Amino acid sequence: GENVEQHPSTLSVQEGDSAVIKCTYSDSASNYFPWYKQELGKRPQLIIDIRSNVGEKKDQRIAVTLNKTAKHFSLHITETQPEDSAVYFCAAPEFYNTDKLIFGTGTRLQVFP
Amino acid sequence: DADVTQTPRNRITKTGKRIMLECSQTKGHDRMYWYRQDPGLGLRLIYYSFDVKDINKGEISDGYSVSRQAQAKFSLSLESAIPNQTALYFCATSPTGGVNQETQYFGPGTRLLVL
Repeated sequence: GENVEQHPSTLSVQEGDSAVIKCTYSDSASNYFPWYKQELGKRPQLIIDIRSNVGEKKDQRIAVTLNKTAKHFSLHITETQPEDSAVYFCAAPEFYNTDKLIFGTGTRLQVFP
Repeated sequence: DADVTQTPRNRITKTGKRIMLECSQTKGHDRMYWYRQDPGLGLRLIYYSFDVKDINKGEISDGYSVSRQAQAKFSLSLESAIPNQTALYFCATSPTGGVNQETQYFGPGTRLLVL
């Protein structure tokens, strides 16, 4: 089955700096890659996703890039703000089943003022 | 997202007890999921259901069972709770079809402590 590895497990940055979180996946047939954000004490929420037919997608200060050859995808947050502090999870579908997601182990991002 | 609710929000129980966690949704979604979250291990899928007659095992189904009583309700049971089932449990839903069909909407979570 699909295996998703996520790095780093913790990341601390100064406000205004950029943050990058990387995930690798094992199943070359995977075609959908979402990122979820979980603020402290809250539920995970989708913030951005990308499909395998594009290499990059942006939404204001966040972007996701996908390298299908290397089987990895990354979340980029620019001009970080304290409210970006949260745990971020990447995910990939098991085989072709985008309804069944395998999540990474999470990255705790801390943005210091 | 208030459309997905979980009860109870917190529960303390003893080893060997049977416990049920409930999930309800008003989003009209067919697909429902149960996950557990442990520090350093992320979100792991326990069971999922695509409609009332459909139940599927996830990555870590041993020690758990589920019931899909209606489209809107999906319950998770621990038949005989053990301490390593102490975790944060999330229910999630997703729609069938449409541009957002892969998006999962999570409930607020149930924090379970097994003594």
